[in-house]
Amino acid sequence: EAGVTQFPSHSVIEKGQTVTLRCDPISGHDNLYWYRRVMGKEIKFLLHFVKESKQDESGMPNNRFLAERTGGTYSTLKVQPAELEDSGVYFCASSRQGLAYEQYFGPGTRLTVT
Amino acid sequence: DQQVKQNSPSLSVQEGRISILNCDYTNSMFDYFLWYKKYPAEGPTFLISISSIKDKNEDGRFTVFLNKSAKHLSLHIVPSQPGDSAVYFCAASDRYGGSQGNLIFGKGTKLSVKP
Repeated sequence: EAGVTQFPSHSVIEKGQTVTLRCDPISGHDNLYWYRRVMGKEIKFLLHFVKESKQDESGMPNNRFLAERTGGTYSTLKVQPAELEDSGVYFCASSRQGLAYEQYFGPGTRLTVT
Repeated sequence: DQQVKQNSPSLSVQEGRISILNCDYTNSMFDYFLWYKKYPAEGPTFLISISSIKDKNEDGRFTVFLNKSAKHLSLHIVPSQPGDSAVYFCAASDRYGGSQGNLIFGKGTKLSVKP
């Protein structure tokens, strides 16, 4: 079974630009989560999809962040316009329905905003 | 305010000895706890978990202990191996609350196992 994949692995952009991160969950996993880790700090929850619906987006920092999961498969997280404080590692995780807390993480996308 | 705290940023242990990683939490609604292991440039990998109805869960060299009254859990690794060197994250979940399984993480403890 293929694991969670994320693309790109690393992105360097200038302040004010737009970046789109992609996550492909494990096949059959209805739950998809986005987390972010700013250097040296804890991994923080951003939002949670169940299939194509946003279950909880209470962790999204502000309206510069937009997440989508069209068709309930892969998900994208767009940051527009990017700010310096958006730098960090963005992790995606997925889990089966009924086992939401047993989450499998992708390798992360390291975003650097200069 | 951090709900999950790992107060030791790092721990160094000799190969073959026991590693004990600690975690404290403040939210009494948490009912499921997990430990994740993370190597550089990789995502966190699930290691072991425990439900709040238990006080111990064991899987090979890894044992997690939960003390609900103290709101404290610990991960024991016996015997420690150099390959165990990684950052260990404690995470908690309120499975039936509004968070719907969202994990709350600590800041992590970097374990170094010396040969």
